Amino acid sequence: KQEVTQIPAALSVPEGENLVLNCSFTDSAIYNLQWFRQDPGKGLTSLLLIQSSQREQTSGRLNASLDKSSGRSTLYIAASQPGDSATYLCAAYGNNRLAFGKGNQVVVIP
Amino acid sequence: GAVVSQHPSRVICKSGTSVKIECRSLDFQATTMFWYRQFPKQSLMLMATSNEGSKATYEQGVEKDKFLINHASLTLSTLTVTSAHPEDSSFYICSAMEGHGYTFGSGTRLTVV
Repeated sequence: KQEVTQIPAALSVPEGENLVLNCSFTDSAIYNLQWFRQDPGKGLTSLLLIQSSQREQTSGRLNASLDKSSGRSTLYIAASQPGDSATYLCAAYGNNRLAFGKGNQVVVIP
Repeated sequence: GAVVSQHPSRVICKSGTSVKIECRSLDFQATTMFWYRQFPKQSLMLMATSNEGSKATYEQGVEKDKFLINHASLTLSTLTVTSAHPEDSSFYICSAMEGHGYTFGSGTRLTVV
């Protein structure tokens, strides 16, 4: 059974700092890995999708890397802004199943 | 991009009544949709996989008579919480796979009083 862990569970950073969010998964036989953002009481917004054959994906200030062999993915958010405050969820897809971590709860302090 | 619309966003119901939650794929067809439940500060837990034209597949420990799923068309899946109790209060989210990734609805906050 795939288990996804996200560290740290919560973090606060001053505005302008770069954010580094870590995700690890136990089964490296994944089809893809997806990062989502969730605001309080809301659904999930897809941020980046990395196929198993890819090493990273970038969108604006966001960059996500994937290392299947070590079972890790990292989400980088450059020059954080207060609007980046949210919970970030990592999900690994494999064996017809999407397995989620508990999320990284981020607060960016103005 | 792909959009999944979920309604209602928030519902309060009395204990013992039933509540229906709708999930629609707006610009694509979804033969399969997924229903999740999320507790505060917890991960999303898959409840069931909804298959168009056939019975849903429920995860272990999820009561199929309690959480009725209907996927009557390629764009609509519904989850009905029957005889709701306070412990059913939770955040329910649906999703569908479009292309290589998943798209999620905006979620439904169910409160049973």
